[in-house]
Amino acid sequence: GAVVSQHPSRVICKSGTSVKIECRSLDFQATTMFWYRQFPKQSLMLMATSNEGSKATYEQGVEKDKFLINHASLTLSTLTVTSAHPEDSSFYICSAALGQAIQETQYFGPGTRLLVL
Amino acid sequence: EDQVTQSPEALRLQEGESSSLNCSYTVSGLRGLFWYRQDPGKGPEFLFTLYSAGEEKEKERLKATLTKKESFLHITAPKPEDSATYLCAVQFYSGGYQKVTFGTGTKLQVIP
Repeated sequence: GAVVSQHPSRVICKSGTSVKIECRSLDFQATTMFWYRQFPKQSLMLMATSNEGSKATYEQGVEKDKFLINHASLTLSTLTVTSAHPEDSSFYICSAALGQAIQETQYFGPGTRLLVL
Repeated sequence: EDQVTQSPEALRLQEGESSSLNCSYTVSGLRGLFWYRQDPGKGPEFLFTLYSAGEEKEKERLKATLTKKESFLHITAPKPEDSATYLCAVQFYSGGYQKVTFGTGTKLQVIP
């Protein structure tokens, strides 16, 4: 089956530092990758959609300069949380899909838990 | 206002006791409704996509149905390993943009 990995699984950082999260599709080429964040006991919130080789499309209310997304290849997308603050602490989850539309089957990574002190 | 509501928030079942989870939505321009299973501390696992009213899909003990206002996830004779949070998500058009909204989930516990 389609496997998506994320690294790191957990990260603790100081306020003001930047954190990079990697999302890889291990056994398939993902045309599109999606980034979500999830707060405790809350829904997943779509942050952005990224297609290989092009700029990411951000959801309303998500700061592009704060959450930098790079989709360098068909198997790798990265999310960089710049100048992280405690309110950025959350569970970040990526997903990958074969097609370009969000209704395509998405395969989710295991998530990255970020704690900003 | 575009909304996705799941009920109940939590459900406790005895092993073998069938039940249904509900996902109701108030969006226009529905493109698709998705069901996922999420275990604690993990990413969601895709279960089903439904595109139009009347559509049904099955996988093992799970069956998903869709109407114009809601979707049901029926669980037949559940087992303890079915314990998880079940999420639904709706993809739709709003203001010329494609959006996806997740419900807050139903936490299912199946007791042996």
